[in-house]
Amino acid sequence: KAGVTQTPRYLIKTRGQQVTLSCSPISGHRSVSWYQQTPGQGLQFLFEYFSETQRNKGNFPGRFSGRQFSNSRSEMNVSTLELGDSALYLCASSSSGGYTEAFFGQGTRLTVV
Amino acid sequence: AQRVTQPEKLLSVFKGAPVELKCNYSYSGSPELFWYVQYSRQRLQLLLRHISRESIKGFTADLNKGETSFHLKKPFAQEEDSAMYYCALTPGTGRRALTFGSGTRLQVQP
Repeated sequence: KAGVTQTPRYLIKTRGQQVTLSCSPISGHRSVSWYQQTPGQGLQFLFEYFSETQRNKGNFPGRFSGRQFSNSRSEMNVSTLELGDSALYLCASSSSGGYTEAFFGQGTRLTVV
Repeated sequence: AQRVTQPEKLLSVFKGAPVELKCNYSYSGSPELFWYVQYSRQRLQLLLRHISRESIKGFTADLNKGETSFHLKKPFAQEEDSAMYYCALTPGTGRRALTFGSGTRLQVQP
């Protein structure tokens, strides 16, 4: 079956703009998590959605938000972009019921200039 | 707050040598521990989890609650093991938020 798909793969934005990233989970997976990966901070958890509800949130400012649709697809939005938001954003999906393996997408590389 | 520490950024060994990638964690409850691996130009993927107590690609990892460690070991390294390895934990109870270590790059030389 198809893996986790993230679009777009690459994005260049200007400081102050906003951006929306998309993630399509593996068919049947209802949990979608987002992570930010930077050379300085490594992989950091942003938030998790399950059945359209945010279940967990990491320690990021309110400029970072997300949502999940009824088909489990998820979007994350970053408003008022800062240079420090430049990162690889990874999405992971999991099936429901206890902890199961997280399947990662290839990521969206966001560059803020 | 939970924390995962991988003290080595880079580990370089020769083919056939034993490998041990270190991972220490801090968490007050009973976490679930994992090793994720990222091969060159591939996605991050699960290698193994402590609950399964299994060996994957010759790798094993034992959870030592006394030392709060979850070191990854392989008796004989192969060149195809060269990759970035991340130790991670979740608080357990089905929660999926992974806390990752900073990663260790394993280089296996011929």
